[in-house]
Amino acid sequence: QQQVRQSPQSLTVWEGETAILNCSYEDSTFDYFPWYWQFPRESPALLIAIRPVSNKKEDGRFTIFFNKREKKLSLHITDSQPGDSATYFCAASVMGYKLTFGTGTSLLVDP
Amino acid sequence: EAAVTQSPRSKVAVTGGKVTLSCHQTNNHDYMYWYRQDTGHGLRLIHYSYVADSTEKGDIPDGYKASRPSQENFSLILELASLSQTAVYFCASSDRGKDTQYFGPGTRLLVL
Repeated sequence: QQQVRQSPQSLTVWEGETAILNCSYEDSTFDYFPWYWQFPRESPALLIAIRPVSNKKEDGRFTIFFNKREKKLSLHITDSQPGDSATYFCAASVMGYKLTFGTGTSLLVDP
Repeated sequence: EAAVTQSPRSKVAVTGGKVTLSCHQTNNHDYMYWYRQDTGHGLRLIHYSYVADSTEKGDIPDGYKASRPSQENFSLILELASLSQTAVYFCASSDRGKDTQYFGPGTRLLVL
């Protein structure tokens, strides 16, 4: 049973466009939602995270939109750059421990 | 920045053999985790630990054991390695009361 789902599996955008990565979850007790990114042959690293007390979290070109009622969230990357090409994982946990990861979205930004 | 190291970085093992993957962190983090990564499955939690000398089962613990002999060290043990355990294994750590998990560089395990 996949508790955290991501779509699309892969996404290609042109440089300068906005990339939108989607995530949904099933467990309503989840209270922490980080996004990790991973470059080829590297380890995952925290990109940005949100808690359900907020419906939006912004960090530069990266913004999380969160809909608690629908159990959905999305990561928006504005003005996408080739250096943003990576695999993005949505994750969820209770109180920040024991992360449950989605299967990832592979983003390619074409210059 | 948190420092988590793993050894070995890659390993080839034979089916039925014993494999030990090691993880070491130097940040006094209480929490440590072992994940495996397979194409199409993201990262899945195998075992984790909140304190030395204690380990907990994660989401996919079958075929794996874990050992936390000290706060700094966390090992993953495959007593009888199988082909299906070919994957990349990541160790991570986090501080008590803080959410960010810091990942090690990973160990690529190939079981033949």
